[in-house]
Amino acid sequence: EVQLVESGGGLVKPGGSLRLSCAASGFTFSSYTMTWVRQAPGKGLEWVSSISSSSSYIFYADSMKGRFTISRDNAKNSVYLQMNNLGVEDTAIYYCARDILFRFDPWGQGTLVTVSS
Amino acid sequence: IVLTQSPATLSLSPGDRATLSCRASQSIKSIYLAWYQHRPGHPPRLLIYSTSFRATGLPDRFSGSGSGTNFTLTISRLEPEDFAVYFCQQYADSPYTFGQGTKLDI
Repeated sequence: EVQLVESGGGLVKPGGSLRLSCAASGFTFSSYTMTWVRQAPGKGLEWVSSISSSSSYIFYADSMKGRFTISRDNAKNSVYLQMNNLGVEDTAIYYCARDILFRFDPWGQGTLVTVSS
Repeated sequence: IVLTQSPATLSLSPGDRATLSCRASQSIKSIYLAWYQHRPGHPPRLLIYSTSFRATGLPDRFSGSGSGTNFTLTISRLEPEDFAVYFCQQYADSPYTFGQGTKLDI
């Protein structure tokens, strides 16, 4: 069974940092692009970042550029999102998802990031 | 690319037919349009990809259609578990945007 499990969320003060992790199982992780998507409270889904299978291609949403860094470790079947200089607008559930030819499937359960003083 | 979904909320009953619309700000190829279902307490779930292809295991009461800038998700006979929020998403160009969602209410 394909499974994605996020971790690393929590409460952080404005200006702080967090590193999210997503552990994958049930498929050949090193063959797939992986993606982070977030959903702020009461808002819709927002694509955050994607990283290709060998880390050759990395993309970010404009509002995350320079603050967020996506990376992966294919030996550990994991993808990460380093988030720096967090603001209250970054409060959201962060989901990781497998990227299969123009769609995201499946998604993990998500990890909640709360930025508050 | 901005995706605009309508209506924002759709109030229907089990057994009804639901038609959800997604309009793109510019033409996109059909292979780059997907639909997701999001129920409270669950992660988003892929329903339809490449405009009209059902995800594995998806009942055939779900169907997708459209081209260019206008895309539609149709649920032919609503079941209680179908009442959720539905998002369209484009993969034609980064950033890979989502529509704002249509809430399907009982």
